[in-house]
Amino acid sequence: NAGVTQTPKFQVLKTGQSMTLQCAQDMNHEYMSWYRQDPGMGLRLIHYSVGAGITDQGEVPNGYNVSRSTTEDFPLRLLSAAPSQTSVYFCASSQKTPGVADTQYFGPGTRLTVL
Amino acid sequence: GQQVMQIPQYQHVQEGEDFTTYCNSSTTLSNIQWYKQRPGGHPVFLIQLVKSGEVKKQKRLTFQFGEAKKNSSLHITATQTTDVGTYFCAGYQGGSEKLVFGKGMKLTVNP
Repeated sequence: NAGVTQTPKFQVLKTGQSMTLQCAQDMNHEYMSWYRQDPGMGLRLIHYSVGAGITDQGEVPNGYNVSRSTTEDFPLRLLSAAPSQTSVYFCASSQKTPGVADTQYFGPGTRLTVL
Repeated sequence: GQQVMQIPQYQHVQEGEDFTTYCNSSTTLSNIQWYKQRPGGHPVFLIQLVKSGEVKKQKRLTFQFGEAKKNSSLHITATQTTDVGTYFCAGYQGGSEKLVFGKGMKLTVNP
């Protein structure tokens, strides 16, 4: 198993550009989520999904869209990039929701810079 | 909304020392998880605590869940340079489907 994979590893965007961060898992996990990590802020939840076709907002959803058309993939879309979205983005998955599953597996992260 | 606070945010210890870090929630939790992130890496799951007063050990690491299920602690015995990294606690409140992370405790070790 490859676990949780994320592409790209690094990305530089100009303000106003759009892009999609890819996330895939091969463990048949139901629950997937996106976090952003900023210095001194910990991990903040952007969006999450409890299964294919179901998504919901986390703490900091503004400026981001997600979809979950398959169990394996959970892409994160930046609609119009802003410098405030400069961050490291982590995708994570677990077999069930956090209340049932005991492990979240994190991908290696995407380091995004918006100029 | 639910908040999870970790103290201290930074900890510098001499190799061989013991120390404890704490995690406090504003609400009662169903479970709490701990993760470790090495510099430049991604968070890696360490352990989950579910029961009130639960204590779990992993080698030199001891994790405890408070009786009221609103706080947790991580105690490291005889710190080694391999323990360097940021330790996060994450709390799950029943019915929310969300895991809320603390801001982390960054550990540095002087060899």
